[in-house]
Amino acid sequence: QVQLQESGPGLVKPSQTLSLTCTVSGVSISSGSYYWTWIRQPAGKGLEWIGRMSTSGNTNYNPSLRSRVTTSVDTSKNQFSLKLTSVTAADTAVYYCARENFNRIFGVIRPGWFDPWGQGTLVTVSS
Amino acid sequence: QSVLTQPPSVSGAQGQRVTISCTGSSSSIGAGFDVHWYQQLPGTAPKLLIYGNTIRPSGVPDRFSGSKSGTSASLAITGLQAEDEADYYCQSYDSSLSALVFGTGTKVTVL
Repeated sequence: QVQLQESGPGLVKPSQTLSLTCTVSGVSISSGSYYWTWIRQPAGKGLEWIGRMSTSGNTNYNPSLRSRVTTSVDTSKNQFSLKLTSVTAADTAVYYCARENFNRIFGVIRPGWFDPWGQGTLVTVSS
Repeated sequence: QSVLTQPPSVSGAQGQRVTISCTGSSSSIGAGFDVHWYQQLPGTAPKLLIYGNTIRPSGVPDRFSGSKSGTSASLAITGLQAEDEADYYCQSYDSSLSALVFGTGTKVTVL
């Protein structure tokens, strides 16, 4: 059974960098064809896709966050990570990591669906 | 930035059928990108409900079904049960944004 677990500071000061790690268990992060993804949800609001990465180095980010987002993967620890710079109160949210499953049609990757998800971790931006 | 529009809320009595719409555009659902659906119970992470427009993962009751037509998709819940009370989100891709996108979310209330 594949499980994901987010970890990182629950409180970040404005203008600083938010750093989170997602630990994957039950499967090697390098196995199969998946994207490893970050999604967030402010309290009482909807879901927002942050970005994704593959273990081969491919990355895609939400254009609204691209200038502040960096992702990385550590296959030796079966983990992937998120860094979001210059945070403000608007970045306060529950942050989820998830695995993106996708199909290839005629060799072209079709954007996929998220399963499973981590339980989420609340990050508050406040001084 | 939600480019998939859902009704804020739908409600129905136990045993009834409800549907949730997800309206996109010619650069998202209308461009042929698949629609996926998630159920989020209070205080928990979203859970995959439907993928590839119509496919139920193992363990999801057949009371849940998905469909897609043109620039829209729908999730139907038949035989509504108390445990179906949750938030539901659709998800797809928008080629004009080059981003995976979620719907605005719909709260289902069981009367």
